[in-house]
Formats: sequence, C-alpha cells, structure tokens
Amino acid sequence: QKEVEQDPGPLSVPEGAIVSLNCTYSNSAFQYFMWYRQYSRKGPELLMYTYSSGNKEDGRFTAQVDKSSKYISLFIRDSQPSDSATYLCAMTPAGYSTLTFGKGTMLLVSP
Amino acid sequence: SQTIHQWPATLVQPVGSPLSLECTVEGTSNPNLYWYRQAAGRGLQLLFYSVGIGQISSEVPQNLSASRPQDRQFILSSKKLLLSDSGFYLCASIDGIHYGYTFGSGTRLTVV
Repeated sequence: QKEVEQDPGPLSVPEGAIVSLNCTYSNSAFQYFMWYRQYSRKGPELLMYTYSSGNKEDGRFTAQVDKSSKYISLFIRDSQPSDSATYLCAMTPAGYSTLTFGKGTMLLVSP
Repeated sequence: SQTIHQWPATLVQPVGSPLSLECTVEGTSNPNLYWYRQAAGRGLQLLFYSVGIGQISSEVPQNLSASRPQDRQFILSSKKLLLSDSGFYLCASIDGIHYGYTFGSGTRLTVV
C-alpha cells in the first residue's frame, strides 16, 4: 500500500462547480497536511495547510482533515478556469521533516 | 518569506554530457534544501536533501549527485547524463512557519 493515494484524474468540471479533491494515507503519524497547486511547467505553490484534524477555510478554498479515517480533502467553491491545474496533497509527521506527496490530481475547469 | 531561484528554466543536453543545476535561496538562513524530479504520471521523486553545508542525503541510487557549498546554495550534478535523467527538476526549501516547502520554478531537462 502506498503511503499517500491520490486519484490522478483528470477531473473535468464546468465553471462555477464545487470541486472536491481527496487523498488517503496510511501513516497515522502524519500531523501536518498541505495542498499545493501546480500550473503546467511551473513549480508547485502552497495553497492550504492544516495541522492535525479539522477544517480550514481561505476564500473559495476549504481544507479538511479526518485523521480517524486517514482522509484529507480540498474543496473549491465557484470554480474558475484559472483553477485549472494539478493539485498535490502533502503531509509530514513533524516540522522540518521530509514531505510525502500524492501524485497529484489534474483539474480542468471549462468556461 | 523565502524565495527559491533556479536556473536554467529549460535545458536540452545530449546523452553522456555533464549537468549542473543551481538553486539559491533568499529570505532564510540554514534552510533544509531538497532536490525533486517530477516525471509525467510519476509524481514527485525525492532525489537529495541537505540539512546544512556539506551535508547531503541521497534517497535514490542514480546517476546524479548533489552538493551544498554554501548555506543557501544547492547544486545538482551529473558527470554523464542518461536518457532516463530527463524530467522536471525542482529545488525546495522548508518554510519554518507551516513546515511545507517553498519550491523554485523548476528546470525542464531533456536528454537527447
């Protein structure tokens, strides 16, 4: 079993849709959880980060962590064509430790 | 906030040629630094990481090497490139606020 599983997509949605991106993981020691957005031919940029379980909201983006189920989600409301990118989840058990990444989900938002 | 500078942005090299990719970091001191390779459909592969000058840990046996001659400089090298070395190379540094990475803009290497 891989440490972090993420559906590669592509996930195609119309503009304005609510998007749900997910990752599952197997290592119960993970405490810090992040979502990165990567546009084509660019480096990933940090979108959201959370510590332990719970929700975090930032504008149109909401990150959820359910440690009991080893499941994290990123929701995008009112999706825009500019949200079209690959989204990678990442996690680590402690600060200053190497991140473990999912393979990324490609999202396509059509106008 | 920290900034990662990587160059060149794209590189086309013949098989058997040497390689040197440079990464420099601004806005932080004594950072943990990482080299990743990203191939289509394979996600991010950790190649090397460094917790300080001259300290290099290799994650995958391969044709590449890394060096850290200065606190905020990280170099990825190869003496003889293979076709399989093609990919998108990313340098990253840990952000001490949220413990995630700040990535550079990457180098797309094509070995022909």
